[in-house]
Amino acid sequence: DTAVSQTPKYLVTQMGNDKSIKCEQNLGHDTMYWYKQDSKKFLKIMFSYNNKELIINETVPNRFSPKSPDKAHLNLHINSLELGDSAVYFCASSPRFGPVATNEKLFFGSGTQLSVL
Amino acid sequence: EDQVTQSPEALRLQEGESSSLNCSYTVSGLRGLFWYRQDPGKGPEFLFTLYSAGEEKEKERLKATLTKKESFLHITAPKPEDSATYLCAVQVIRGGSQGNLIFGKGTKLSVKP
Repeated sequence: DTAVSQTPKYLVTQMGNDKSIKCEQNLGHDTMYWYKQDSKKFLKIMFSYNNKELIINETVPNRFSPKSPDKAHLNLHINSLELGDSAVYFCASSPRFGPVATNEKLFFGSGTQLSVL
Repeated sequence: EDQVTQSPEALRLQEGESSSLNCSYTVSGLRGLFWYRQDPGKGPEFLFTLYSAGEEKEKERLKATLTKKESFLHITAPKPEDSATYLCAVQVIRGGSQGNLIFGKGTKLSVKP
């Protein structure tokens, strides 16, 4: 069973379109995240949700709207896509949001490669 | 500003040729330092967490160490299957509560048979 699964794997779309990426985790974790990995390979956090509540929003344009229907799902909706949005988007989860505990770690999905033409 | 710098950007080794990857950090308060492995087309996979200077962790051919300014990932007698990008990340203390993970750009390791 895949621990953190995200769909689709590849997403190619035109500028100005609206698209969504879905993420689900079956680990029973309380906290989920969206990370963006750009062409320079930097992995940067976008959002963090803890028990369906938004915890972190790292200066991401409001065209990006995360939605967490329950603590096992965190979807990412992007409006009015721009060329600069092209990147790989990773969903991740961790047991809880709080001080790092022994063996605490992030579990990542396999990524969604978004290409905006 | 909190910063994580990894070097080298790319490293090519022959099978069996041991080496080290470096992760230097400048942060206001370190809660933990993480090493992840990332294979092409996949998400990062957790390797180690280090919490305090002097700490060491080992897993198969990998050994991670931590000082007050940097961490090293030592690879002993690497095999082709160790080829991957190795990412370092730090978790900082902000206002007494957990901060985000700040990642470095990674070191792309290639091990030739």
